[in-house]
Amino acid sequence: DGGITQSPKYLFRKEGQNVTLSCEQNLNHDAMYWYRQDPGQGLRLIYYSQIVNDFQKGDIAEGYSVSREKKESFPLTVTSAQKNPTAFYLCASSIRRNSGFYGYTFGSGTRLTVV
Amino acid sequence: AQKVTQAQTEISVVEKEDVTLDCVYETRDTTYYLFWYKQPPSGELVFLIRRNSFDEQNEISGRYSWNFQKSTSSFNFTITASQVVDSAVYFCALSEENFGNEKLTFGTGTRLTIIP
Repeated sequence: DGGITQSPKYLFRKEGQNVTLSCEQNLNHDAMYWYRQDPGQGLRLIYYSQIVNDFQKGDIAEGYSVSREKKESFPLTVTSAQKNPTAFYLCASSIRRNSGFYGYTFGSGTRLTVV
Repeated sequence: AQKVTQAQTEISVVEKEDVTLDCVYETRDTTYYLFWYKQPPSGELVFLIRRNSFDEQNEISGRYSWNFQKSTSSFNFTITASQVVDSAVYFCALSEENFGNEKLTFGTGTRLTIIP
């Protein structure tokens, strides 16, 4: 079955460390997205990519970086510049059909905690 | 700019009661898409329904129904005869038409607790 795989499920980061969250999809979707979820704040867009080798900042990109070298993969790096990285991170993908936009397929998320 | 408001932060109902989750959206576009997602305790968001702005027909799927009213910019979700398995956080989301560059804007979610 096709889907999105996020790893690891839980991640602990020390102060000053960079960490990378993995997101892989086998749905042949063109677009991929990273969202951050904090209690009571819904989902906020970090970065998105509509095509390989291209990506755009979302609403809260500061302290994060991404790459899109392959269609299937969209890793997110949380850098030491991100002052409050403890959150739940969700990766998603989408494809547009002739009849319009059909929303996202989500991964199961990575819970990042600063220790 | 697109915006979604879910004014109900938390709702608790006793099992078998009906419950309605409210969603109000803002957009300047005439073509847009509305969605509801369910987030169980496991964390993954599960797609429930999609509506485009030209389809105001209400939809029923089993115990779930959705009421889309453009006149009030609302897309409300009703669960009939609620069950404990319905306990989750529910998100309403909106995307304006952008021909391959769509992005979803989410509401802050409603946490629904079904009391056995």
